This record gives sequence, structure tokens and C-alpha cells, in this order.
Amino acid sequence: AQTVTQSQPEMSVQEAETVTLSCTYDTSENNYYLFWYKQPPSRQMILVIRQEAYKQQNATENRFSVNFQKAAKSFSLKISDSQLGDTAMYFCAFMNDQTGANNLFFGTGTRLTVIP
Amino acid sequence: DAGVIQSPRHEVTEMGQEVTLRCKPISGHDYLFWYRQTMMRGLELLIYFNNNVPIDDSGMPEDRFSAKMPNASFSNLKIQPSEPRDSAVYFCASSPLRGRGTGELFFGEGSRLTVL
Repeated sequence: AQTVTQSQPEMSVQEAETVTLSCTYDTSENNYYLFWYKQPPSRQMILVIRQEAYKQQNATENRFSVNFQKAAKSFSLKISDSQLGDTAMYFCAFMNDQTGANNLFFGTGTRLTVIP
Repeated sequence: DAGVIQSPRHEVTEMGQEVTLRCKPISGHDYLFWYRQTMMRGLELLIYFNNNVPIDDSGMPEDRFSAKMPNASFSNLKIQPSEPRDSAVYFCASSPLRGRGTGELFFGEGSRLTVL
């Protein structure tokens, strides 16, 4: 079974600073996808960034980047130049790369507060 | 496209009443998922469909819960009879077939259910 662990229930960062959210996962599969989703107070889950396990290069989306360490089963999210709109719950998620297995397994989330 | 549409956004009911939550997935998406979010258990997959057929319902907590997808543009989740412990936010999500998309799940805004 796949498990996703986020060990930081809450974090805070000063506006314009950089923050890193941690995520580890456990799987026996070799091919899979990893995601970071953001859930703002509006409640809707929004994809932040995605990483395929077969790619060695870390994914980057503007101010968001990941540090993917496959051997360590670690997938951290770095937010640079934090903005007030980044305040939200952040969920790390895992998906198997198998036909018919499209469901996501989520971590428990990290609540990030950006302080003005 | 308007995205995944869920209704109602909020529902307050009394224990023992039937609850029906509704979801309209994004047109053309082959998969539909129902998740439940609580403080204690985080995000849990309840059931998912592929081309209107239920694939995995192992997350449905008990016989009081049922879900159907009568056509490609509609699904509902029913709880009968409802209990206070069913209070949660219920999310519907859809995604295209793997290979035609990024593996991303597109979420609705959720239905917050309160059972008194």
C-alpha cells in the first residue's frame, strides 16, 4: 500500500522569503507520479506542481519547485518569494503509473501561513 | 469549460435523513472520483468510476453510502440514513484517461455536510 507522510502540520514564512514543505512516501512501485496540491480557504484543490518518477530533473513552475529524491522517497516543495496568496493547506499526493489506477493518495497536509 | 460542478455547497441535515450530493464532471473526462475530507482522517478516496463503471469502492465506509454514475455527465453520492460522524467535506474530481492528460485530478469546490 502507498502511504504519504507530511511531518509538518503547520508552517509560517515571511512575505518574500522562501519556505520548504516536506513530504515522504512509501511504495514498492518504480513508476509513479507525485503532486503538490494547494487548498486555499475557498476549499477548492488546485494543482501546484507535478513530477514523474522516471524524470530525474526536478519540476519547476514559476516560484514553485520540487526536490525529488527517488532513492530516499522524498518530494519536498520549495516556494520562493512567498506571497500572501500562498497562504493555504498544501497536500502532497501519490499516483501509481498503472493502467486503471488513477486515484491519488494524499498526505495529511501542511498549513502554510504567509506573514505580511 | 466550467470545471467540476458540485451541489449543494453546504448541507445541514438531521441524523437519520437521506443526503444526496451531486457532481457534474468536466466534459470528456473518463474518470470520476469521490473523496471525503475530515480533520481526523484527511482526504480519503471513497469510490471512483471509469467510463461510468465503478472501479474501486473499497473506501466506501459502510452500506449507508452509495454512489452512482448513470451517465458521463452526472454522479451522485447518497448517504441513508445519515449520522453525525458523516459530517465532512465531500469532493468530486474528474480526470482524463492517462496518456491524454497529465494525471492531474480536477476537483470541484466540495460539499460541506453537517449532520446534527
